[in-house]
Amino acid sequence: SQKIEQNSEALNIQEGKTATLTCNYTNYSPAYLQWYRQDPGRGPVFLLLIRENEKEKRKERLKVTFDTTLKQSLFHITASQPADSATYLCASMDSNYQLIWGAGTKLIIKP
Amino acid sequence: ETGVTQTPRHLVMGMTNKKSLKCEQHLGHNAMYWYKQSAKKPLELMFVYSLEERVENNSVPSRFSPECPNSSHLFLHLHTLQPEDSALYLCASSQAPDRTNIQYFGAGTRLSVL
Repeated sequence: SQKIEQNSEALNIQEGKTATLTCNYTNYSPAYLQWYRQDPGRGPVFLLLIRENEKEKRKERLKVTFDTTLKQSLFHITASQPADSATYLCASMDSNYQLIWGAGTKLIIKP
Repeated sequence: ETGVTQTPRHLVMGMTNKKSLKCEQHLGHNAMYWYKQSAKKPLELMFVYSLEERVENNSVPSRFSPECPNSSHLFLHLHTLQPEDSALYLCASSQAPDRTNIQYFGAGTRLSVL
């Protein structure tokens, strides 16, 4: 079945460093991948979308890559800040045009 | 504010109760979704309404009953729930047809079934 996997272990990063989160997909080839941020007690908020023919997408301190050979997307936050601490979710469309989701990776930025 | 409002934010109910969750979107979207989010698990899609017609029902138990009276409002009616139904219930909206399916979420209803 179509599946998205994210590292379930929390990622601890020192403030100012670059945080890198991984999203792997299996058993299909999505045309898009999306990244969302979710804070405790809130719903996910859309951050970035990358298409399969785009290698890289940037938005301020955020960068997303899409490697169709590795079946993987990487999400980078440069110059990380404590306010970047949250859970980050990866999602893409399945064959029914509905989003399937990873379980998310919790990112903790330490001052 | 995301433009999607869910009420109530918290709900505690017994297994024999009947309650309803409400969702309202102010984004002019025409597709709305109910998701269940349990700890450390991916979001589970429960129901999809597009243009006010239900297009997806991912084998959700009949104790969950959705209602979409118009493109701005979505309800989830709950009855005789089980403790394993305790979770965060999220409503989302998007513009259909949209190949990217970017979704906008409410803050969710934290449901506890005793």
